[in-house]
Amino acid sequence: EVQLVESGGGLVQPGGSLRLSCAASGFTFSPYTMSWVRQAPGKGLEWISYITSASDSISYADSVKGRFTVSRDNAKNSLFLQMDSLRDDDTAVYFCARERRGYYLDYWGQGTPVTVSS
Amino acid sequence: EIVLTQSPATLSLSPGQRATLSCRASQSVDNQLAWYQQKPGQAPRLIIYDASNRATGIPPRFSGSGSGTDFTLTISSLEPEDVAVYYCQQCSKKLYTFGQGTTLEIK
Repeated sequence: EVQLVESGGGLVQPGGSLRLSCAASGFTFSPYTMSWVRQAPGKGLEWISYITSASDSISYADSVKGRFTVSRDNAKNSLFLQMDSLRDDDTAVYFCARERRGYYLDYWGQGTPVTVSS
Repeated sequence: EIVLTQSPATLSLSPGQRATLSCRASQSVDNQLAWYQQKPGQAPRLIIYDASNRATGIPPRFSGSGSGTDFTLTISSLEPEDVAVYYCQQCSKKLYTFGQGTTLEIK
């Protein structure tokens, strides 16, 4: 069974940092492009980043570019999101998801909540 | 950036009725459009990809159609468990975008 489990969320002050992790199991992690998607309270889905299997192509939404860094460790079946210079509007549930065929996301984790507040 | 516009924002129907949800793209995405279902408190779940292919485990009452800029998700006979927000999504030039969602309510 494919499983994605996020962790690392929590409460952080504006300007602070957090590192999210996504542990993958039930499939061979290394060949897949992975994405991060977030959802602010009561709002819709917002894609924020993807990383290809060999980390040779990475993309970010404009809203997080220069502040967030995505990475992965294929040996540990793990995906990461380093979030720096956090702002109030980064408050959201953060989901990791597996990408297929360059555009759709076929498996999602349950999400980890991040609250940015003083 | 391709913008996806969903309509209606909210749809309220009775069990057994047919639901028709629309997604319009600001430019052609060919057939590379996906639909997701998000129930309250849960992660999104893929229900349709390539505009019309049902994902694994999705019941046949869900169907998708369309190509280019106009797409439709149809639920042929609503069940109470279909209460959810439905999102369309595409990816072009390494930028993914989602529609704003349609909330489906069951009367």
